[in-house]
Amino acid sequence: EPEVTQTPSHQVTQMGQEVILRCVPISNHLYFYWYRQILGQKVEFLVSFYNNEISEKSEIFDDQFSVERPDGSNFTLKIRSTKLEDSAMYFCASSRTPASASEQFFGPGTRLTVL
Amino acid sequence: AQKITQTQPGMFVQEKEAVTLDCTYDTSDPSYGLFWYKQPSSGEMIFLIYQGSYDQQNATEGRYSLNFQKARKSANLVISASQLGDSAMYFCAMREELTSGTYKYIFGTGTRLKVLA
Repeated sequence: EPEVTQTPSHQVTQMGQEVILRCVPISNHLYFYWYRQILGQKVEFLVSFYNNEISEKSEIFDDQFSVERPDGSNFTLKIRSTKLEDSAMYFCASSRTPASASEQFFGPGTRLTVL
Repeated sequence: AQKITQTQPGMFVQEKEAVTLDCTYDTSDPSYGLFWYKQPSSGEMIFLIYQGSYDQQNATEGRYSLNFQKARKSANLVISASQLGDSAMYFCAMREELTSGTYKYIFGTGTRLKVLA
């Protein structure tokens, strides 16, 4: 069964450093999403992406964040200068169509720890 | 704005018993989707079950069923014959349409379920 994959599973970085979280969505999916879950809190929407551009972003997704689809398979989330409060689990998700009745498929997540 | 409420921060259930996890939602959209996800201690989000607002019957997936009461705006998850492996965090989520026509999920705060041997 096709699945969304994410690398790395755990990333530790120093405050102020740049990190890139990688995701490989399901191959025939066209809509991509990033969510964040701070430890012990609920999952929050960050951004949606379609046709090589951002469709929507939340207030969390400030100028420190960017997303990119550098090739036909990868979908990345970059945090330019990490802060302690960026420590969280980051989930990538994809869906075939926006209006599909089926769910967005979530990846296993990347746990980011900022020291 | 749409909202998801899970009022049970933690629940205990005896192995082999059934348990109901509560979820209420608030939306003015006539068309919406409701989802339940399981998050074990390893952190991944595992899709369990989906209910569409126009579905006539309650969704079922194996030991999981969704008690959908549209008039009450509730979408409770029922797990029958609980197993030790069911111990996890459970999130109720609603799909919200964004202005771009894409969707995002709104999640509740979750219920931590502990199955007792």
